[in-house]
Amino acid sequence: AQSVSQHNHHVILSEAASLELGCNYSYGGTVNLFWYVQYPGQHLQLLLKYFSGDPLVKGIKGFEAEFIKSKFSFNLRKPSVQWSDTAEYFCAAGSYQLTFGKGTKLSVIP
Amino acid sequence: NAGVTQTPKFRILKIGQSMTLQCTQDMNHNYMYWYRQDPGMGLKLIYYSVGAGITDKGEVPNGYNVSRSTTEDFPLRLELAAPSQTSVYFCASSPGVGTEAFFGQGTRLTVV
Repeated sequence: AQSVSQHNHHVILSEAASLELGCNYSYGGTVNLFWYVQYPGQHLQLLLKYFSGDPLVKGIKGFEAEFIKSKFSFNLRKPSVQWSDTAEYFCAAGSYQLTFGKGTKLSVIP
Repeated sequence: NAGVTQTPKFRILKIGQSMTLQCTQDMNHNYMYWYRQDPGMGLKLIYYSVGAGITDKGEVPNGYNVSRSTTEDFPLRLELAAPSQTSVYFCASSPGVGTEAFFGQGTRLTVV
């Protein structure tokens, strides 16, 4: 069965700090990978996605993620976070359906 | 272009009552999904559909039913509401298998 693991439940950072959120997936075949963001009280929105090609993908709002096939990982990064990045972040893997991780709550302190 | 529209946004049900959560998309997507989101648990797939007339169970289907008579609509039915069904429900659609899902605004359901 497909599964997605996110390493951190809650991350607290100061503004301008660098961010890296871990995500590992398990799936035997080809899989598409996604990071979604959920701002407080809102629905999920796509940050970035990886289907194939360059393993370093850039998304909106300065986020990027790197696909490392040998490690089954798809970690999310941002060089300098802002208070407005406070949200919950979900990694997802998709083949015939999307499977989500449990989410990582990011709190950015001004 | 409204995307994925869910109604209602909020609902309080008594134990044993039934209700239907409505979901409509105007993007002509074949794939549609229902997820529930509980604190600290991420999103769990309840049911999904790969096209009109075709539905299948996800990870947590018990207590729910769905139908897909048209491409646009994918309602979720709760027949006998239980407190364990208190959750936020999200409907989503995607154009193809394993592709990006577009989410509705969610329905916050409380069963008392």
